[in-house]
Amino acid sequence: QKEVEQDPGPLSVPEGAIVSLNCTYSNSAFQYFMWYRQYSRKGPELLMYTYSSGNKEDGRFTAQVDKSSKYISLFIRDSQPSDSATYLCAMISGGTSYGKLTFGQGTILTVHP
Amino acid sequence: DAGITQSPRYKITETGRQVTLMCHQTWSHSYMFWYRQDLGHGLRLIYYSAAADITDKGEVPDGYVVSRSKTENFPLTLESATRSQTSVYFCASGADGSRGYTFGSGTRLTVV
Repeated sequence: QKEVEQDPGPLSVPEGAIVSLNCTYSNSAFQYFMWYRQYSRKGPELLMYTYSSGNKEDGRFTAQVDKSSKYISLFIRDSQPSDSATYLCAMISGGTSYGKLTFGQGTILTVHP
Repeated sequence: DAGITQSPRYKITETGRQVTLMCHQTWSHSYMFWYRQDLGHGLRLIYYSAAADITDKGEVPDGYVVSRSKTENFPLTLESATRSQTSVYFCASGADGSRGYTFGSGTRLTVV
């Protein structure tokens, strides 16, 4: 079983829709939670990071963490065609593997005009 | 220029050859990573380093060697390249885990 499981998608939505991307994890040692966006043939780009349960908002993006359920989500409001990309959840370990970054499989999102 | 740089961007090599992928960062970040990205497998960790002279294996280390004698450099060597090592390789760095890591642009390696 993978430590991080991400809804694989792909996801196709109309412009203006609310998008929900989700990941679950099994390793209780994960301390930091983040979302990366990756455009085709580019490196992953950090979108949001957080370490506590609850919501963190940045413009049209909201990251949600529920440590008790080992579940994280990314919501995109008013989605735009420029949001079309692969979204990757990622988590950083604490403890003896402190700093190690583990990714979910990624979800391909297409926002069509 | 400040940032994280990978070289080369593209590389074609033959089976059995040794090849080294370079990663250089200008921030003096403690943590550096090597990932490979393949269709159907996502980003898989090869090796990572918490500081100079400290390295640790990731999920798929076999066939790869790393070294980190200087904080800013983290080269990845394929000792004897195989076709299964055809992939896109990404390097990343960060000060610590709390604010995530920054990725390079990737090296697209083809082993023929």
